[in-house]
Amino acid sequence: GAGVSQSPSNKVTEKGKDVELRCDPISGHTALYWYRQSLGQGLEFLIYFQGNSAPDKSGLPSDRFSAERTGGSVSTLTIQRTQQEDSAVYLCASSFRPRGTEPQHFGDGTRLSIL
Amino acid sequence: QKEVEQNSGPLSVPEGAIASLNCTYSDRGSQSFFWYRQYSGKSPELIMFIYSNGDKEDGRFTAQLNKASQYVSLLIRDSQPSDSATYLCAVKLATDSWGKLQFGAGTQVVVTP
Repeated sequence: GAGVSQSPSNKVTEKGKDVELRCDPISGHTALYWYRQSLGQGLEFLIYFQGNSAPDKSGLPSDRFSAERTGGSVSTLTIQRTQQEDSAVYLCASSFRPRGTEPQHFGDGTRLSIL
Repeated sequence: QKEVEQNSGPLSVPEGAIASLNCTYSDRGSQSFFWYRQYSGKSPELIMFIYSNGDKEDGRFTAQLNKASQYVSLLIRDSQPSDSATYLCAVKLATDSWGKLQFGAGTQVVVTP
């Protein structure tokens, strides 16, 4: 079946602009996670959705970052007034259930470059 | 102390040899452990997961878990050049209610022909 789909695959924008990143999880997966991977850095958790609710937003680095999920499916991560330090690969992952032994499956990511 | 630690490498392995990757974690109650492979410029790909103490084998890959020592490892037998990648150890922390993964920094493996 289809995997996790992310768009766009690449995004180049000027500092100060807003960007929207999209994630379409695997069908039937209720848990959705956003991570960020900066150059030379490990994967950093951003936010978790269970259905349309986000019970864990602890990884969002600033109030310029927000996310939503609609219909228990597609999620959008929005970064307002982008800064150069926001340049990274933004990865979305989904799993059937959040807890226990369920593995997470990643999309191909969105490579964001802030000029 | 980082919650999940891995040697960054690079780990150079001759083709056909066994690559041994190690990962330690600090949350003693953690129950779920995952190994992801990440090729340069690509996203992480799940290759193994383990929940019980002992060994779990899948093809050329073996994951080993020792909860008492808070240690999980990955063995790659008969290493091939296509195994050259960064291997990420990920842990679901017992202290986390929502299943987010805590990743190590990754070990770069280079298989030399």
